Amino acid sequence: QVQLQESGPGLVKPSETLSLTCAVSGDSFSSGHYWGWIRQPPGKGLEWIGSVYPNVNTHHNSSLKSRVTISVDTSKNQLSLKLSSVTAADTAVYFCARDVGLRQLVGFDIWSQGTMVTVSS
Amino acid sequence: SYELTQPPSVSVSPGETATITCSGHDLGAKFACWYQQKPGQSPVLLIYEDNKRPSGIPDRFSGSNSGNTATLTIRGTQAMDEADYYCQTWDAYTGLYVFGAGTKVTVL
Repeated sequence: QVQLQESGPGLVKPSETLSLTCAVSGDSFSSGHYWGWIRQPPGKGLEWIGSVYPNVNTHHNSSLKSRVTISVDTSKNQLSLKLSSVTAADTAVYFCARDVGLRQLVGFDIWSQGTMVTVSS
Repeated sequence: SYELTQPPSVSVSPGETATITCSGHDLGAKFACWYQQKPGQSPVLLIYEDNKRPSGIPDRFSGSNSGNTATLTIRGTQAMDEADYYCQTWDAYTGLYVFGAGTKVTVL
């Protein structure tokens, strides 16, 4: 059974960098799936942040691209997200997820439980 | 950029069929997927590649995609189907994985 578990601070100060990790169990980064980050501001819809096909390709939402770094640590089976220069607009529930497609982006079939990150001084 | 448009809300009576649309330029030429999200929970993938259901998803959920519109159909709607539903597609031209704004389904 594939499970994803995020960890990271729930409160980040404006202008600082938001850092989250997502521990993957029951699967590996060599399985052929894309892995992604999605966020959801309170009371609003889903926003794709970016997706990575480990050691091959990374795609980012162009509205965030210059601030986003997505990486994988295959030794720890962890996915990471860094979002720099955060503002209150980055306050959201952040999810990590696995794409059901093999070597293609077709939909996220496994999701983490989500972690709330608030940007505030 | 690429945008997907969904109706903000859909109401349906128990046992009836709910139809949720998702519109985007030439969406039929791409794959669409659908998620269900209940309050406080993570989204659940209902449909991917237009009409495929992941294991465990009831067959009363079905999808289609043609022209500029993808459609999620819920047959025999139940009270438990009351939720927000989101469509999504990968637009290779812009390199964007786009979500629709979501449709709130109310079972009256």
